[in-house]
Amino acid sequence: DAGVIQSPRHEVTEMGQEVTLRCKPISGHDYLFWYRQTMMRGLELLIYFNNNVPIDDSGMPEDRFSAKMPNASFSTLKIQPSEPRDSAVYFCASSPQGADTGELFFGEGSRLTVL
Amino acid sequence: DAKTTQPPSMDCAEGRAANLPCNHSTISGNEYVYWYRQIHSQGPQYIIHGLKNNETNEMASLIITEDRKSSTLILPHATLRDTAVYYCIVGKNSGGSNYKLTFGKGTLLTVNP
Repeated sequence: DAGVIQSPRHEVTEMGQEVTLRCKPISGHDYLFWYRQTMMRGLELLIYFNNNVPIDDSGMPEDRFSAKMPNASFSTLKIQPSEPRDSAVYFCASSPQGADTGELFFGEGSRLTVL
Repeated sequence: DAKTTQPPSMDCAEGRAANLPCNHSTISGNEYVYWYRQIHSQGPQYIIHGLKNNETNEMASLIITEDRKSSTLILPHATLRDTAVYYCIVGKNSGGSNYKLTFGKGTLLTVNP
């Protein structure tokens, strides 16, 4: 089975441009998470969804960031306008509802560089 | 969620057991201990989790002290591919905060030949 699929794997853009990161969770998983990783701050939870509904977005840094999950098989994280401090690796993860393992399945990440 | 304390780095010889400690003195009764690892340039990978009892799977063993204030992850025969950052996380496993896992700095384990 395919794991969590993220695209693009690498993105280089200029300050002020809109960036859209995409995630396809594992089929049947009801939870979806967006994390951001930087050297300074480590791995931070930005937002997570349950059954396509945002449950907790307290980690979203500011209004420039938005996330959507229009259906069970797709989610986007958008940054508009992007800034150099948004440069990071963005991870998407999914997890099945009701599982007692506490296991999150992470994608390979999208490395964003904002010049 | 309770916070955890881990050493920033550890070394281990290939083939030997790697014992990674974690302190979580403020853990509450319904919080689990989770371990993940992150190999360079990859996404984090789940290893094991436990509540009170010691746990073992094909990857590792988890030893939790009786008072649950600390735990140790054991890789019985470390290989070079086990070189990674290991994260010890404490979190709830039910309700609205299901799987809201907060990652700390972790321990960089370097397995040496």
